[in-house]
Parts: sequence; C-alpha cells; structure tokens
Amino acid sequence: GEDVEQSLFLSVREGDSSVINCTYTDSSSTYLYWYKQEPGAGLQLLTYIFSNMDMKQDQRLTVLLNKKDKHLSLRIADTQTGDSAIYFCAVTNQAGTALIFGKGTTLSVSS
Amino acid sequence: KAGVTQTPRYLIKTRGQQVTLSCSPISGHRSVSWYQQTPGQGLQFLFEYFSETQRNKGNFPGRFSGRQFSNSRSEMNVSTLELGDSALYLCASSLGQGLVSGANVLTFGAGSRLTVL
Repeated sequence: GEDVEQSLFLSVREGDSSVINCTYTDSSSTYLYWYKQEPGAGLQLLTYIFSNMDMKQDQRLTVLLNKKDKHLSLRIADTQTGDSAIYFCAVTNQAGTALIFGKGTTLSVSS
Repeated sequence: KAGVTQTPRYLIKTRGQQVTLSCSPISGHRSVSWYQQTPGQGLQFLFEYFSETQRNKGNFPGRFSGRQFSNSRSEMNVSTLELGDSALYLCASSLGQGLVSGANVLTFGAGSRLTVL
C-alpha cells in the first residue's frame, strides 16, 4: 500500500529557513498536502499542491514537488518560535477517498 | 464561520465500555471523515460519511462504527473498548465526497482525546 516517510525531527534557529522533507511511494495522488499540529490541537491545513505543479508559494511557505523522485518538501522562510509544531505530509490513497499521512516531523525553533 | 466542532474534547473510559463521539462539520460541508491518531500508528483513516451513508471505510474492526445525520453532523461509536483504543480521534469535513477535487480539502477539528483504563 501507499507509504509516506518523513524525518522525525528538525531543529532550527529563529530567523533561519526550515525545510521539511517527505517521500511517498504511490504517485496517483492528485493533491499533496501539508498539515500542522500544535500541542493539544487538531490538524491545521497549511497548504496543498496539485500534482501537475512543481512549486507553490504561499507567503512564508514554499512547497516543492518532484514527481519523478516522489519527493515533497515544505520550506518555511524566516522561521519563528510560533512555527514550533509537528508537520505532517499527506497524500491521497489510490482511490482518492482518504488521506495517508506520514508520521510527522517535529520542528523545534530556538531563539 | 465556525470550524469543525468535536465533543467531548476529553474523556476517560474503562475497558469493555462503549463511547460515542460527536462531530459538527463546517456549515455547508456534506462530507465527514474520521481519523484515529496514536503515537505508534500515527494517523489512520477510519471512515467517511456523505449524505448519511458510509462511503469509505479504513481497516478497523467492526467495533468502530459511525453514522451521519441529515444535517451532516456525525457520530462515531466504539464498543467494547480496549486499551489500544486510547487515541486522539479527529473528525474532518469537506464540501463533497472524495479528495480528487481541490475544492474538497479536509478541515479538521481539535479532536476528542479518549483514554481507556
């Protein structure tokens, strides 16, 4: 079945850029997503990219998609302490009926 | 515009009991999906409801069930609770069924945290 892999931890200094990476096995997903989860909260949709696009920029967020390598990344510019959270990469299953999530990357931002 | 509302936010049950969780979707959203989040298994899809019918189901035992009402509100039920059912249960709503349209992104609620003792 579909598998989504992410590195578990990333630590950066405030003001630096953060890059969170994700790889997936099945390329049938029409859209690919990034969600953010803060402690004790649900999932917040950050951004998503259509599978025919290579890049999408949304304020401080840049999503890069390399379909050939099945690699998705999220870049956060000028990372702030408020960006500390768990970031989940998600793709749709083959039927397009549910999301398959990675295990999440914990981003720690120090001042 | 109100977001996805889940109740209760926290609850504690004992093994063998049953539990019912409630989800009110964003106004106008007709599809409700449920996901289970545990430290070991991560986020896993439970089921999706659209127009009061279960449209899709994940790989969970029959103890997990749900329903959707005519106003799109949804409930999920877990019977004969086991320790391993301790998790954060997340509800998400979207405009329509399925995820192949860019208009059908999932908006999640804050979750119901279930602890089974």
